[in-house]
Parts: sequence; structure tokens; C-alpha cells
Amino acid sequence: NAGVTQTPKFQVLKTGQSMTLQCAQDMNHEYMSWYRQDPGMGLRLIHYSVGAGITDQGEVPNGYNVSRSTTEDFPLRLLSAAPSQTSVYFCASSYSIPGENSYEQYFGPGTRLTVT
Amino acid sequence: SQQGEEDPQALSIQEGENATMNCSYKTSINNLQWYRQNSGRGLVHLILIRSNEREKHSGRLRVTLDTSKKSSSLLITASRAADTASYFCATDLIYNQGGKLIFGQGTELSVKP
Repeated sequence: NAGVTQTPKFQVLKTGQSMTLQCAQDMNHEYMSWYRQDPGMGLRLIHYSVGAGITDQGEVPNGYNVSRSTTEDFPLRLLSAAPSQTSVYFCASSYSIPGENSYEQYFGPGTRLTVT
Repeated sequence: SQQGEEDPQALSIQEGENATMNCSYKTSINNLQWYRQNSGRGLVHLILIRSNEREKHSGRLRVTLDTSKKSSSLLITASRAADTASYFCATDLIYNQGGKLIFGQGTELSVKP
């Protein structure tokens, strides 16, 4: 299994440009999430999905869109990039254990985005 | 605001010493998880402790949870240089849906050989 994969690894955008960060997992996990990591802020949840066709907002959703058309893929779209979106973006997936509320997350390697 | 707050923000110890990191949170949880992040890499899950558990061990890791104080600690015994990393606690809130962990700001651990 490749686990959780993210592309690209690095990206530089100009203010106002749009782009899509790709995330895919091959573990048949129903749950997928996007986080951003900024120095001193830990990880903050952007959007998450509990299954194909179902998404919801996290702590910091503004400026980002997501969709989940398949179990495997969960792309994150930046509609009009701003310097405040300069960050490292992590995608994660998880699964539920029947009868338990336990959701260990598996993380991708991250995408380092710079907006100038 | 962050659900989890970690203390200390940075910790520097010698190889062989024990490292203790603390995490406090604000609202009721299903479980609390600890993750490690090596520089420039993604996070790796270390251990999960459920709200009805008080202590859990995994190799050189010992995690405690005190739900009355809304706090947890991660102890790494006999630390090694390879333990140098950032450590994050993450809470899975009660009535939560999967994939919605709330992370603390992390503790940066440096283990000197």
C-alpha cells in the first residue's frame, strides 16, 4: 500500500491564482481530512469528509473548497490564493473500528505552498 | 481556539534521560492521541488512549489521561537521539465524527547524544 499520497510536494503561486492540491489513499478509509500547519499553531483542520459525497468545514475553511467524489480522492482547491495561505498542507485518512469511537489518522507527506 | 495546549513548547535533554510532555484540553473527549513529526515530514500516530482509560504503554512510551483535570502526559523513557522530533496531542471530541481531530501546538523535543 502507498498509504496517503499528496501532490505536489512544493508549489509557488502568485496572489490570485487558483490551484488544486491532490490527496489520495489506497486503504479504503472512509474518513479524510485536510489540515494546514503554520509555525507555532500546530495543525488546524480545514475540511473533512466522512465518506464519498459528504464533506464539512473544519476550523479554517475560508478560501478553500473540497469535494469527495470517490473514497480514494480528496482534493483541496484554493480558489484565489492569498499570502495568508502560505503554509504546509497535510492530508490524512482514518477509519472507524466497529463498536469503538477510535480514529487513528494516517498522514501524507505534506505539500509546502508559498503564495507571493 | 486550540482545544489542546502543550507544555513545554520545547524540551532539550541528554540521551538516556526521560522526556515528559503535557497536554491540556477544554471539552469532553472520546479519546486522546499522540503523534510524532520528524522535521519536514508528515505526522505519525504513536498511541491512543480512550476516555475510560487512565494509563497506556507502548514500548518506551507511557501515556496517562486524567479526564477530571482534562490533561494528558506522554513520557518517553531512556530517550535516544532518534526521538528528536515534534510531538503533538490531538483530541477526538465526544459526539465527533471521524476525521475531525483537534491538535495542540506541539512540543519540540531535542535529544542530544
